[in-house]
Amino acid sequence: DQQVKQNSPSLSVQEGRISILNCDYTNSMFDYFLWYKKYPAEGPTFLISISSIKDKNEDGRFTVFLNKSAKHLSLHIVPSQPGDSAVSFCAARGGADGLTFGKGTHLIIQP
Amino acid sequence: DAGVIQSPRHEVTEMGQEVTLRCKPISGHNSLFWYRQTMMRGLELLIYFNNNVPIDDSGMPEDRFSAKMPNASFSTLKIQPSEPRDSAVYFCASSFRTEGETQYFGPGTRLLVL
Repeated sequence: DQQVKQNSPSLSVQEGRISILNCDYTNSMFDYFLWYKKYPAEGPTFLISISSIKDKNEDGRFTVFLNKSAKHLSLHIVPSQPGDSAVSFCAARGGADGLTFGKGTHLIIQP
Repeated sequence: DAGVIQSPRHEVTEMGQEVTLRCKPISGHNSLFWYRQTMMRGLELLIYFNNNVPIDDSGMPEDRFSAKMPNASFSTLKIQPSEPRDSAVYFCASSFRTEGETQYFGPGTRLLVL
């Protein structure tokens, strides 16, 4: 059973437009959420995080929204840039320190 | 600053052989995590350490897998004997254990067991 789900395997967005990546979770014990991006043959790179006590966190082009009642979070990237083309992973932590990852969404930024 | 260092980057071995993966966490970090990425299961936590002590190894698939952290700057993940289904990318990550800390990942070791 997947506790963190990213239902879109891929997403194609035009350069300069907004990318919206979605993530759903089932475990109500999760209290901290993170987004990572991953290029081929590299480790995941941290993008942005949000604590469950907040509903929004912004960092430059990246904004993460958390809807606890719906157990849903989203990552907004605006404007989208070619370097954003990567697999974006949603991850969650609750209680224990290890992260539970979604399967990832392959974000493709088209020129 | 050096990030998380993993070695080797690639490993090809034959079934039944012992495999040892190595990790050097970021200096000053006191938590270390081992993850495995496969096509079928994605990224999964295998085991993590706080202050060199194993805290949760419930993700370790079988007794063939073992991990140690003899000091704050080094950890190993060992598979003995290795099997073809162990083929995956193994990532090490480290963090400074405070409220809401971020985990920083190494480049991974791509393991192929023939």
